[in-house]
Amino acid sequence: GQNIDQPTEMTATEGAIVQINCTYQTSGFNGLFWYQQHAGEAPTFLSYNVLDGLEEKGRFSSFLSRSKGYSYLLLKELQMKDSASYLCAVLYRNSGYALNFGKGTSLLVTP
Amino acid sequence: DTGVSQDPRHKITKRGQNVTFRCDPISEHNRLYWYRQTLGQGPEFLTYFQNEAQLEKSRLLSDRFSAERPKGSFSTLEIQRTEQGDSAMYLCASSSPRDRSNQETQYFGPGTRLLVL
Repeated sequence: GQNIDQPTEMTATEGAIVQINCTYQTSGFNGLFWYQQHAGEAPTFLSYNVLDGLEEKGRFSSFLSRSKGYSYLLLKELQMKDSASYLCAVLYRNSGYALNFGKGTSLLVTP
Repeated sequence: DTGVSQDPRHKITKRGQNVTFRCDPISEHNRLYWYRQTLGQGPEFLTYFQNEAQLEKSRLLSDRFSAERPKGSFSTLEIQRTEQGDSAMYLCASSSPRDRSNQETQYFGPGTRLLVL
């Protein structure tokens, strides 16, 4: 919904840095979340951005540019356990509390 | 464990049967959400409760679907006359406006995986 776009798949090497991009429609924007989802499991919350800039949390950081309708999730010092799907989800004012998810980016971390 | 719980975790049923899923939110959370997720897709919003009141419903929620939260705690999602297209993971989430991080984060349960034969 709301044209939330993410790359379908990415591959990166253990110990490296990877950036997962997300673009969305800017009209009515009210916040952006990143979730991690391992196969067959529930999405788990990673980060939240509502103002422009970078939010850092350990190995994970998330960036937002509201004017460009753009966010990225940065994962540093990749570990094998980071292999998962990463979901970008946007709140819009006209859809209340319903999260609008992208299709997710499947990240494979290789040795 | 004080997270969101869902029951059952897996359900296999025949087309035309009715199924009911249960969600128990985090105890102090007054908002509860249902989403549906199919393979290779992100979750899609179905409906949302604030306490016992159902405040939003997606157009995805056909008349075969009904959700309740009678006492403002646990919720049930019923699908009547199931169809093969209903096969999906049904996720429940909860949130609280008094989240200590000053944002209303939705926390998800493990989901109920439905297979309609």
